[in-house]
Amino acid sequence: DQQVKQNSPSLSVQEGRISILNCDYTNSMFDYFLWYKKYPAEGPTFLISISSIKDKNEDGRFTVFLNKSAKHLSLHIVPSQPGDSAVYFCAASSDSNYQLIWGAGTKLIIKP
Amino acid sequence: SAVISQKPSRDICQRGTSLTIQCQVDSQVTMMFWYRQQPGQSLTLIATANQGSEATYESGFVIDKFPISRPNLTFSTLTVSNMSPEDSSIYLCSVRIAGSEAFFGQGTRLTVV
Repeated sequence: DQQVKQNSPSLSVQEGRISILNCDYTNSMFDYFLWYKKYPAEGPTFLISISSIKDKNEDGRFTVFLNKSAKHLSLHIVPSQPGDSAVYFCAASSDSNYQLIWGAGTKLIIKP
Repeated sequence: SAVISQKPSRDICQRGTSLTIQCQVDSQVTMMFWYRQQPGQSLTLIATANQGSEATYESGFVIDKFPISRPNLTFSTLTVSNMSPEDSSIYLCSVRIAGSEAFFGQGTRLTVV
């Protein structure tokens, strides 16, 4: 049973436009959510996170929105740049549990 | 933050042989995590390695196939034993500090022929 789901395996966006990556979860005990970016042949790198006490967190071009009632979070990248082309993973954890539960990833392609 | 040095970065191995992957962290951490990412798949946790105790394996992974060592708070190894082509994957070590984000090594791309 997948507790964290990224239903879009890939997404193609024009450079300069907004990229929206979605993630759904089933476990209501999750209280901390993270987004990671992964280039081929590299380990994932942390992008942005959000605690369940907030519904929005912004860092430069990246904003994460959390809708607890819908058990849904999204990552917005604006404006999208060619260097944003990568696989994006969302992950979730529950209080004091070091283990992260991962989504399957969404491959983002930014078209020039 | 934590910086993790993982090696080898890639290897091509014959079936039936074993490969040991090493991870060195620049700070002391209680838990280290070993993941596998098969082609087109997400990250799958293999095991959690605690210093001074046996590793805790996830469902579908066993110690005989993936023995782990954790001799101190900055180092761990994962061995992929008796390899078959199905073991071809990217293997990643990771640490998570104080319940915040996780940090990853650069990964080991393993191809078994």
